[in-house]
Amino acid sequence: SYELTQPPSVSVSPGQTASITCSGDELGDKYACWYQQKPGQSPVLVIYQDDKRPSGIPERFSGSNSGNTATLTISGTQAMDEADYYCQAWDSRSYVFGTGTKVTVL
Amino acid sequence: EVQLVQSGAEVKKPGESLRISCKGSGYNFTSYWISWVRQMPGRGLEWMGRFDPSDSYTNYSPSFQGHVTISADKSISTAYLQWSSLKASDTAMYYCARDVFGELSLDFWGQGTLVTVSS
Repeated sequence: SYELTQPPSVSVSPGQTASITCSGDELGDKYACWYQQKPGQSPVLVIYQDDKRPSGIPERFSGSNSGNTATLTISGTQAMDEADYYCQAWDSRSYVFGTGTKVTVL
Repeated sequence: EVQLVQSGAEVKKPGESLRISCKGSGYNFTSYWISWVRQMPGRGLEWMGRFDPSDSYTNYSPSFQGHVTISADKSISTAYLQWSSLKASDTAMYYCARDVFGELSLDFWGQGTLVTVSS
């Protein structure tokens, strides 16, 4: 079955840039999206179709996808961005979620 | 405003049956699929399957095929996830989400239903 691998954790200082990777076989040939989940809350879609932002998502969130890696970038990270982030793709008639990355804003 | 409102928390015993619900509002319910996602305590997201309310087509993850049933009643804009015989390992938070198949993403999520299975 298809697998998406993320680093377990990423630390970033306020105002700096956080990059979260998502690796999967030929992921660049598929659409990747990203979800943010804060403790005790439901996930929120922050990027879809590799690099599109849903309405209401701040511009500091951006995405890219090429080769075997999709990347979520948070520019000018704020304390409110501290959360778990999950990538997701579609493969063989199933959605597949990444392993998840905890972003800590120090 | 798009909303998905899920039924409340459940506490069940192993072997019991259960159906939880997800009511959509603020959009045309039959124009979008509904997906269900499991999150076990302290763990990541797992996609379970999806349902097309327009024609009742269902697509399950191989990991959940045969263990759960996904359905919907489009007349009341409500989707369901059900078990015929719960196990302790079914203890988890379950989310429904609006599935934008053309975009291959889940754009609105319910608040979650916590299912606890314990003897």
